[in-house]
Amino acid sequence: GAGVSQSPRYKVAKRGQDVALRCDPISGHVSLFWYQQALGQGPEFLTYFQNEAQLDKSGLPSDRFFAERPEGSVSTLKIQRTQQEDSAVYLCASSLYQGPGREQYFGPGTRLTVT
Amino acid sequence: AQSVAQPEDQVNVAEGNPLTVKCTYSVSGNPYLFWYVQYPNRGLQFLLKYITGDNLVKGSYGFEAEFNKSQTSFHLKKPSALVSDSALYFCAVREDSNYQLIWGAGTKLIIKP
Repeated sequence: GAGVSQSPRYKVAKRGQDVALRCDPISGHVSLFWYQQALGQGPEFLTYFQNEAQLDKSGLPSDRFFAERPEGSVSTLKIQRTQQEDSAVYLCASSLYQGPGREQYFGPGTRLTVT
Repeated sequence: AQSVAQPEDQVNVAEGNPLTVKCTYSVSGNPYLFWYVQYPNRGLQFLLKYITGDNLVKGSYGFEAEFNKSQTSFHLKKPSALVSDSALYFCAVREDSNYQLIWGAGTKLIIKP
């Protein structure tokens, strides 16, 4: 079956531009996570959705970052007025159910470069 | 607060030899521990997890990991390394009261023929 897909795979934005990153989770997966991965580092949690409800957004680095999942499937991470420090790989993951022991399935990521 | 440490940036092993990639963690409650592998230009792939029960867990591609509560460790092991095991390995931990998965910085595993 299809895995988690993300688009675009690569995005170059000029400083100050807005960007939108899309995630298509595995069909039927309740939980959806966004992570930010800087070069040479492990992923950093950004936000978590259970169906359409955003239950944890404590990892979003600033109010320029916004995520939504309006119908409980596809999710979009939006970054307004991009800054150079936003350059990173943005990873989306989904899992079938909520629960700390559930493994997450990751998409290939979107590499964002802000110039 | 949760934290994960992978003390080795890189591990070099000869093909056919056993390998160990180290991970230690810190949580205030019960730990849920995971290992993932990342190949170049590919997404993170789940290898194995510890939730409860037997301290030795087996996962994909012949990997296994041993949970040690007293040493707060969850080291990844494989009895005989393959060149194709060369990749970046991440350890991660989650508490049952928290949605966040906390990740180590990763260990680059290089298997030489």
